[in-house]
Amino acid sequence: EAAVTQSPRSKVAVTGGKVTLSCHQTNNHDYMYWYRQDTGHGLRLIHYSYVADSTEKGDIPDGYKASRPSQENFSLILELASLSQTAVYFCASSGGTGYAEQFFGPGTRLTVL
Amino acid sequence: GDSVTQTEGQVALSEEDFLTIHCNYSASGYPTLFWYVQYPGEGPQLLFRASRDKEKGSSRGFEATYDKGTTSFHLRKASVQESDSAVYYCALSDAAKLIFGEGTKLTVSS
Repeated sequence: EAAVTQSPRSKVAVTGGKVTLSCHQTNNHDYMYWYRQDTGHGLRLIHYSYVADSTEKGDIPDGYKASRPSQENFSLILELASLSQTAVYFCASSGGTGYAEQFFGPGTRLTVL
Repeated sequence: GDSVTQTEGQVALSEEDFLTIHCNYSASGYPTLFWYVQYPGEGPQLLFRASRDKEKGSSRGFEATYDKGTTSFHLRKASVQESDSAVYYCALSDAAKLIFGEGTKLTVSS
């Protein structure tokens, strides 16, 4: 049974609209991450969290907010979606840092028109 | 800051060919190095990792050796199969997060 799930799996949004991507994990992990994937750029970290009610900026946080209301749930919020935010978004969880493995969800394909 | 460079953006091979994907890193200290694999329509998954100099990681016939001297962690497989077609990512640990390379798309034809 999938331990990291994402919803929706695909979404079309309009420029300037608000978009919320959701992630749920059943791994009992403290760490959760949001990445975006673009051809030629690999995976880039947007936001992450190591405890509920707290989030940290990753490498490309501009234009994104994150929310971690519980250990299991982590959301990515685009307040004003832009064309440049069209990408595939992945959520991941891990039990720690350094040597710890990250477990990824199946991804959300976001298209902003 | 820390970084990972994968030389090959795309690799096309025939079944039973030898595979090498080059990965070089730049980091202070002693990061753990990872190879992740992503199959079409799925999220990346861990292939294997290594955390000290000269340590070999391996899984499913793939292997890589941590080389601090050349700051490399090259992925190799002696005989690829069509089912190995995927995107491969080299990554390193940086405090609380992973830093990924750009990825290498491997296509294996029968």
